[in-house]
Amino acid sequence: RKEVEQDPGPFNVPEGATVAFNCTYSNSASQSFFWYRQDCRKEPKLLMSVYSSGNEDGRFTAQLNRASQYISLLIRDSKLSDSATYLCVVKGDSSYKLIFGSGTRLLVRP
Amino acid sequence: DADVTQTPRNRITKTGKRIMLECSQTKGHDRMYWYRQDPGLGLRLIYYSFDVKDINKGEISDGYSVSRQAQAKFSLSLESAIPNQTALYFCATSDFGTGGHNEQFFGPGTRLTVL
Repeated sequence: RKEVEQDPGPFNVPEGATVAFNCTYSNSASQSFFWYRQDCRKEPKLLMSVYSSGNEDGRFTAQLNRASQYISLLIRDSKLSDSATYLCVVKGDSSYKLIFGSGTRLLVRP
Repeated sequence: DADVTQTPRNRITKTGKRIMLECSQTKGHDRMYWYRQDPGLGLRLIYYSFDVKDINKGEISDGYSVSRQAQAKFSLSLESAIPNQTALYFCATSDFGTGGHNEQFFGPGTRLTVL
C-alpha cells in the first residue's frame, strides 16, 4: 500500500464548477499535511498547508480528518488557470521527510 | 532570478556514462534535497543534506551519490547511468520553519534520458 494515495484523475470540469480531491495516508503518526500544485513539466509549488481545523484560501478549502487519515481539497468556481496536477503531501514523523502522492490531474475546460 | 537553479535542464546520455546534475540556491536554506519523479509514482527522495558535509540517504539512493560542497550547492551524480534512471530530477531546499512546517522550494527540474 502506498503511504499517500490519490485518485490520479483526470478530473475534467467546466469553468465555474466546484471540484474536490481526496487523499489518504497510511502513517497515523504523520504530523503535517500540504497540497502542492504542479503545472505540466514544471516544479511543484506549495498551494496550501492543511490544518486540523480546516482552512480556506480564497477559492480553495482544505480539510483534514485524522481519525480517517484523510485529506481533501475543494476548489470552488474553477478557472482555466487551475488546470494542473495537485499533489497531496504528508510530513512523516521525522523532521525532514515529505511523502508525496502521485497527484490528481485537473483539467478545466471553457 | 530563480532562487533554486538546476543545470543542465535536459540531458541525454548513454548507458554506462557518468553524469552530474548541479543544484544551486540563493535562499540561504540549510537543507537541500534531490528527488526523482516518474509517471504514476510521485516524487521519491534520493538523498538529502541538512548542512555542508552532512549527507543522508533517501528511499532510492542506490546508483546515486551526492556532494554538498557549500551551503548553496548540492550535486547529484550517477556513476554509471542505466536506462531505468531516465526520469525528471528535482532539487529542493527548505529551512526548518515555524512549527516544523518546512515548505520545500523546488528547482525547475532536469529531464534526464539514458539510452
